[in-house]
Amino acid sequence: ILNVEQSPQSLHVQEGDSTNFTCSFPSSNFYALHWYRWETAKSPEALFVMTLNGDEKKKGRISATLNTKEGYSYLYIKGSQPEDSATYLCAFIGTDKLIFGTGTRLQVFP
Amino acid sequence: DAGVTQSPTHLIKTRGQQVTLRCSPISGHKSVSWYQQVLGQGPQFIFQYYEKEERGRGNFPDRFSARQFPNYSSELNVNALLLGDSALYLCASSLSTEAFFGQGTRLTVV
Repeated sequence: ILNVEQSPQSLHVQEGDSTNFTCSFPSSNFYALHWYRWETAKSPEALFVMTLNGDEKKKGRISATLNTKEGYSYLYIKGSQPEDSATYLCAFIGTDKLIFGTGTRLQVFP
Repeated sequence: DAGVTQSPTHLIKTRGQQVTLRCSPISGHKSVSWYQQVLGQGPQFIFQYYEKEERGRGNFPDRFSARQFPNYSSELNVNALLLGDSALYLCASSLSTEAFFGQGTRLTVV
């Protein structure tokens, strides 16, 4: 059974704070890692698709890094805004299916 | 282009009943996956279908079944509903390794 773990489970930060979360996944049979942003009452939105060890991707204030050898990815949010409040999911792809982590629920207070 | 559409959006069933959930993938996407998200947990993989064939099955009992039609739409069936089947059921269609999610069907079993 493959486990994908995310930490912390939830996070409360003030507007303007920078924050980061971790996704840990099996380091064997790695194909890709996805990050999704899931706002309440909306469908998950794909943020990043990461495939290469050492990958670093950025979209606005959000960036992610990937270490496939040790099996982790970090998601960073710089200068958090209330609209960043959401659940952030990572998903490991080993074979043809996505295995999701439990998510990190971020709440940004004004 | 229409995204992934699921129907119905909400559903209330009683224990022991059967339910069918439907998913229409993005045009051109041949792979459909089903996920269950119980409140407070990350999505759990149920099934993946590709070109009408089952490509993966998660750790769910035989009460859960699915199929994919020639137009790549899919149905998820759950028999003998239990209270614990109450969840958000998400469908995702994918091209290559990126998944796009529908809005989900909220199933409540009473």
